[in-house]
Amino acid sequence: EVQLVESGGGLVQPGGSLRLSCAASGFTFSSYAMSWVRQAPGKGLEWVSAISGSGGSTYYADSVKGRFTISRDNSKNTLYLQMNSLRAEDTAVYYCAKDPYYGSGSYSYYFDYWGQGTLVTVSS
Amino acid sequence: VIWMTQSPSLLSASTGDRVTISCRMSQGISSYLAWYQQKPGKAPELLIYAASTLQSGVPSRFSGSGSGTDFTLTISCLQSEDFATYYCQQYYSFPPAFGQGTKVEIK
Repeated sequence: EVQLVESGGGLVQPGGSLRLSCAASGFTFSSYAMSWVRQAPGKGLEWVSAISGSGGSTYYADSVKGRFTISRDNSKNTLYLQMNSLRAEDTAVYYCAKDPYYGSGSYSYYFDYWGQGTLVTVSS
Repeated sequence: VIWMTQSPSLLSASTGDRVTISCRMSQGISSYLAWYQQKPGKAPELLIYAASTLQSGVPSRFSGSGSGTDFTLTISCLQSEDFATYYCQQYYSFPPAFGQGTKVEIK
């Protein structure tokens, strides 16, 4: 059974940093691209960032480029999102999500499994 | 950037109703469209991909249709567990993007 479990969310001041983690199990983690998708309170879904299965390629939404860094440790089956220079508008539930296409260099950019999410609140 | 218009934003319906949700693109995306269901406090769940392919385990009362710019999600006979918010998502071009969502509520 595929499981994705996020952690690391919390309250942080504007300008601060936070690192999110997503522990994966139930599939060959290194063979699938992964993404982070966020949802501001009461709002819709916004794709944030993606990383290839090998970790060699990364992609970002314009809204977070230069501030967020996605990475993965395939030996630990864990996905990360380092968030720096946080702003109030980054307040959201952050979900990690699995790409369905098999292959370390394959992407589809739709998502067949999602974690339960972790809440990030940026406020003074 | 592809602009997406999902409608309606709110749909009031009764158990047993047939409901349809529309998703329109500003340019053609072939069949690179997915539909998700999200219940309050829960993560989204994939219902349909490639515009019309049902994800494994999803009830057959859900169906998707369309290609190019106009897409539809249909629930043939609404069940109590189907009251939720539904999102379309295009994955034809970068960045992937979601529609604004349609909340299906009890009439």
